[in-house]
Amino acid sequence: AQSVSQHNHHVILSEAASLELGCNYSYGGTVNLFWYVQYPGQHLQLLLKYFSGDPLVKGIKGFEAEFIKSKFSFNLRKPSVQWSDTAEDFCAVITANQAGTALIFGKGTTLSVSS
Amino acid sequence: NAGVTQTPKFRILKIGQSMTLQCTQDMNHNYMYWYRQDPGMGLKLIYYSVGAGITDKGEVPNGYNVSRSTTEDFPLRLELAAPSQTSVYFCASSKHQGLEQYFGPGTRLTVT
Repeated sequence: AQSVSQHNHHVILSEAASLELGCNYSYGGTVNLFWYVQYPGQHLQLLLKYFSGDPLVKGIKGFEAEFIKSKFSFNLRKPSVQWSDTAEDFCAVITANQAGTALIFGKGTTLSVSS
Repeated sequence: NAGVTQTPKFRILKIGQSMTLQCTQDMNHNYMYWYRQDPGMGLKLIYYSVGAGITDKGEVPNGYNVSRSTTEDFPLRLELAAPSQTSVYFCASSKHQGLEQYFGPGTRLTVT
């Protein structure tokens, strides 16, 4: 069965610090990859996604992620975080082009940014 | 577009009571999903639907039921509420399998 592992449970940063959140998945086939963000009291929103092509994808609010197929990884990065980035971030994976499969979420990383 | 809407936003149930969580989307999406979110556990899929009249179980379906009579609506039913069903419930939809899902604002349910 597929699984998604997020290495960081809680990350605390100061504003302007750089961010990298790890995400690894277990599945040998073709996958679609996502990072979702949940700001306090709000619903999940899509940060970025990867389906195919350039493994470095850019999302909203200056976030980017790199897909490394050989490492089964899809790490999220941001060069300089802001206080407004305080949120819970989820990595998610789904098998591409296979009916009946579900989006599998990691357990989430709580990002706290202090001003 | 309103996107995905859910009602109610909050609810407190007594053990053994029943209720229906409503979910509606106006994006003409074929796929709809129900998740529950528990602290530190991420989101777990309860049920999903690939179109009107077609539903299937997810990872944690016990204690829940769903129906999909229209493309827009995907209600989740709790028949005999238990404390273990205390959670935040999210409904989501997507145009096709594998594409990004759009989430509703959630329903925070407490069973006491």
